[in-house]
Amino acid sequence: DGGITQSPKYLFRKEGQNVTLSCEQNLNHDAMYWYRQDPGQGLRLIYYSQIVNDFQKGDIAEGYSVSREKKESFPLTVTSAQKNPTAFYLCASSSKSGTGAKNIQYFGAGTRLSVL
Amino acid sequence: ELKVEQNPLFLSMQEGKNYTIYCNYSTTSDRLYWYRQDPGKSLESLFVLLSNGAVKQEGRLMASLDTKARLSTLHITAAVHDLSATYFCAVDIHFQGGSEKLVFGKGTKLTVNP
Repeated sequence: DGGITQSPKYLFRKEGQNVTLSCEQNLNHDAMYWYRQDPGQGLRLIYYSQIVNDFQKGDIAEGYSVSREKKESFPLTVTSAQKNPTAFYLCASSSKSGTGAKNIQYFGAGTRLSVL
Repeated sequence: ELKVEQNPLFLSMQEGKNYTIYCNYSTTSDRLYWYRQDPGKSLESLFVLLSNGAVKQEGRLMASLDTKARLSTLHITAAVHDLSATYFCAVDIHFQGGSEKLVFGKGTKLTVNP
């Protein structure tokens, strides 16, 4: 089955700890994205990557880091510098866009991060 | 900076009724998306609108796009309980160098009551 797999589904972070959220896709998509969703809010973009070994900051990158060493994988690290990490994190991917292309983003099931 | 505004943010309606959700955006874009999210779940793509005047329909939902007014609507016809969810619109913006991203509205939480 093609899709996007996020793990773990639930994650607890202790104060001062870095944690890493996994995102893997087998859709052969070039672009991958990380979003944060807070209750009653829309999605806010943390980081995105259009190709392997390249990524850009989104709107709320502070306290987060990413890597894109493989096309299939785009892990997100929530560092201790992120003082309010409790949220629902969604990973998405899309094929490279072009004129007239739909460029739909497909989402994983999400990781719910809480602070202990 | 692109802003995407949805209204209403909360909508409670009775089964069988019709209603429209509005999505306004502040800058030029040629692609607009509607997504559905059930509580605690991921986002599911509903519609992609690619040009001015585009209209897409699936079951009791119909989406349209007016790029001149920078407005998209999601119309619900004869609502049923299964349509209860949060609906997001998202607008595609492009940057120099070819990168692009989606900017999401805050979502409209729809509750359909028997």
